[in-house]
Amino acid sequence: NAGVTQTPKFQVLKTGQSMTLQCAQDMNHEYMSWYRQDPGMGLRLIHYSVGAGITDQGEVPNGYNVSRSTTEDFPLRLLSAAPSQTSVYFCASSRVLSYGYTFGSGTRLTVV
Amino acid sequence: GESVGLHLPTLSVQEGDNSIINCAYSNSASDYFIWYKQESGKGPQFIIDIRSNMDKRQGQRVTVLLNKTVKHLSLQIAATQPGDSAVYFCAEGILDDKIIFGKGTRLHILP
Repeated sequence: NAGVTQTPKFQVLKTGQSMTLQCAQDMNHEYMSWYRQDPGMGLRLIHYSVGAGITDQGEVPNGYNVSRSTTEDFPLRLLSAAPSQTSVYFCASSRVLSYGYTFGSGTRLTVV
Repeated sequence: GESVGLHLPTLSVQEGDNSIINCAYSNSASDYFIWYKQESGKGPQFIIDIRSNMDKRQGQRVTVLLNKTVKHLSLQIAATQPGDSAVYFCAEGILDDKIIFGKGTRLHILP
């Protein structure tokens, strides 16, 4: 099993550009989430999903969209990149949420 | 609101000593709490969890204590080793809902 796979690992965007961060898991986990991690800010929840077809907003959803058309995939879309979105993005999945998440290795995004 | 905070951003501990990392939470409705370890350049890794109906839970070299009266959580690491050097996060969640993370404590091991 590959676990949680995030692509790309690194990305540089210009302000105003859009892009999609990919996240896939092969563990048949129902729960998936996206977090961003800024220095000194810990992990902040962007969007989360409790199953295919169901998504909800987290703490910092503005500027991001998600969809969950399959159990395996949970892409994160940046609509119009801004320097404030420079961060490390982590995708995570779980079979039972109270047992904790399995995290991907992250995508380091820089917006110039 | 739903927030999880930490008492100390950095903790330095002598190798072989015990480490205690603290966490304060604000949501009295949280059903469970989880500690994660994050090494440099990697995603967080699950360490141990505790349900809100428990006061203490032990794992291998780690113990988590929960004090619901003062909304306080702690992670104790016994006989701290160089490999324990990392950032530690506490997180809280409500069943079938989201998990909210705290800001993290960096554990630095002194030789």
